[in-house]
Amino acid sequence: KQEVTQIPAALSVPEGENLVLNCSFTDSAIYNLQWFRQDPGKGLTSLLLIQSSQREQTSGRLNASLDKSSGRSTLYIAASQPGDSATYLCAVSGWASGGSYIPTFGRGTSLIVHP
Amino acid sequence: SQTIHQWPATLVQPVGSPLSLECTVEGTSNPNLYWYRQAAGRGLQLLFYSVGIGQISSEVPQNLSASRPQDRQFILSSKKLLLSDSGFYLCAWSVHGHSNTEAFFGQGTRLTVV
Repeated sequence: KQEVTQIPAALSVPEGENLVLNCSFTDSAIYNLQWFRQDPGKGLTSLLLIQSSQREQTSGRLNASLDKSSGRSTLYIAASQPGDSATYLCAVSGWASGGSYIPTFGRGTSLIVHP
Repeated sequence: SQTIHQWPATLVQPVGSPLSLECTVEGTSNPNLYWYRQAAGRGLQLLFYSVGIGQISSEVPQNLSASRPQDRQFILSSKKLLLSDSGFYLCAWSVHGHSNTEAFFGQGTRLTVV
């Protein structure tokens, strides 16, 4: 059974710092990895999708890397801002017997960026 | 463009009462549909997923059930709620049959069982 771990569980940093959020997974037979952002009491917003054949994806100040063989992904946030404060979730998709690709989530990293 | 709707946004229900949460997707056809629950201090737990009308797979035995009466409609139900059913329920969809597509989530329903 796939297990996804995110480190650290919480992070509090001053504005302007470059950040590294880590995600690891136990089964490397994944089809893609997705990073999400969740604001308090809200749904999930997709940030980046990395296909299993890719090594990284970039969107603005965000860069996500994937090392499928070692079961690791990293989300880099450059020049953090208070508006980046949220919980960041990592999800890996594998094939389920019922005929669907199923995202399995980590517990997330709760990020606070203070002015 | 595709959109996903969930309602209600919040719900307070007494123990033993029934439950019906609805999720609909617009702008796509034959999506994969998912129900997740996020309990306080825990990660997102997959409850049900569906690859087509009337096709439901359950990941965790529990007090809940799901149905897909129409292509883009996914319903989460319970006959009698328990206190442990409290949580944040999220519906999601992805393109059917494609391994490298994103999952898109609704805004969630906050359920409190009292």
